[in-house]
Amino acid sequence: NAGVMQNPRHLVRRRGQEARLRCSPVKGHSHVYWYRQLPEEGLKFMVYLQKENIIDESGMPKERFSAEFPKEGPSILRIQQVVRGDSAAYFCASSPMAGDGNTIYFGEGSWLTVV
Amino acid sequence: EDQVTQSPEALRLQEGESSSLNCSYTVSGLRGLFWYRQDPGKGPEFLFTLYSAGEEKEKERLKATLTKKESFLHITAPKPEDSATYLCAVQGNTGGFKTIFGAGTRLFVKA
Repeated sequence: NAGVMQNPRHLVRRRGQEARLRCSPVKGHSHVYWYRQLPEEGLKFMVYLQKENIIDESGMPKERFSAEFPKEGPSILRIQQVVRGDSAAYFCASSPMAGDGNTIYFGEGSWLTVV
Repeated sequence: EDQVTQSPEALRLQEGESSSLNCSYTVSGLRGLFWYRQDPGKGPEFLFTLYSAGEEKEKERLKATLTKKESFLHITAPKPEDSATYLCAVQGNTGGFKTIFGAGTRLFVKA
């Protein structure tokens, strides 16, 4: 079975451009989570989505960041008007169900560099 | 608010020198405690899930244990290929469905 697939693996954007990161969950998983990892820091929760619904976006910055998980296709994390501080690794994870101690499985990440 | 604190931040071992990594947690109603391994430039790789105090799980040279306040990841006779960052995470009743991570312990095993 294919694991969580993320693309692109590496992305370079100039300040002010938009970054779009894509995530296809494990086949059969309907719950997707996005995390951000800054250099030398831990994983920080950003958002939790089910198909067509945002369930918890408490870790998402209020401006410039948005996420979706459409009925068809991958989940998308969109960062508008990127700034240098957005440079980080963005990890997507998925699980078959939410809560109840369900393990989440990660992709290999998308590394965003803002120049 | 759920919190996870890992210690030490970094640990250097000689090959074959057994040791333990600590994960202290504060959570209202533990749903699950998780251990992951992360290599540089890669995503976290799942190792173990523990659900209740007293539970233990093993995989090769790794053994994870859980009490009501902390978890330990014991590494027996480590090899250089065990060098990685080990992440601990929890999911609690009041955090919604978020899995909250600690900052990790960087393990270096020298041959």
